Amino acid sequence: NAGVTQTPKFRVLKTGQSMTLLCAQDMNHEYMYWYRQDPGMGLRLIHYSVGEGTTAKGEVPDGYNVSRLKKQNFLLGLESAAPSQTSVYFCASSYGPDWGYGYTFGSGTRLTVV
Amino acid sequence: AQSVTQPDIHITVSEGASLELRCNYSYGATPYLFWYVQSPGQGLQLLLKYFSGDTLVQGIKGFEAEFKRSQSSFNLRKPSVHWSDAAEYFCAVRGNAGNMLTFGGGTRLMVKP
Repeated sequence: NAGVTQTPKFRVLKTGQSMTLLCAQDMNHEYMYWYRQDPGMGLRLIHYSVGEGTTAKGEVPDGYNVSRLKKQNFLLGLESAAPSQTSVYFCASSYGPDWGYGYTFGSGTRLTVV
Repeated sequence: AQSVTQPDIHITVSEGASLELRCNYSYGATPYLFWYVQSPGQGLQLLLKYFSGDTLVQGIKGFEAEFKRSQSSFNLRKPSVHWSDAAEYFCAVRGNAGNMLTFGGGTRLMVKP
């Protein structure tokens, strides 16, 4: 089925460890996004990409890096995990500027940093 | 910058009762507005969207929303709630920069038998 796939679904990290979250979409979408979801705060944009090879900062980029080497993949990296990065991370994608269908979301990655 | 406020963090309704979830937005131009639903452990699914034209928009699962520019609101409604509607609902507005959506804090809906 077409859509957005996130891996892994769950992860527990120790403070200071690093990891990469992978987002893959097979809809040929230009735009991709990483959000974090925390209770009562809705979804906050971490980084986004408007096309292969491009990335930009969102609302809460500190402590994260991203890469979009291939159009279908958008990677989110944590270089040195902190407990404040415990959250549920969602990837989403959409068409270009003339889109009209909202975002397609992945099912999320639940990350706990201890 | 745009912003979205969902005043109700939790709402409980009885099955079969009507539902209205509130959403207020702040945006300088004509907004593009969305409602998403998130079932437990799942990603977000688009319920409906407003871009222009008729201010009453119909969505999936029997939901509708009404855009009221004078009140900066985009409230979500359903005439008769089903137990399967229990979920968290997010209102979002699209801003100027690219396709970026700004989300509200969400409203968690519980349905009593």
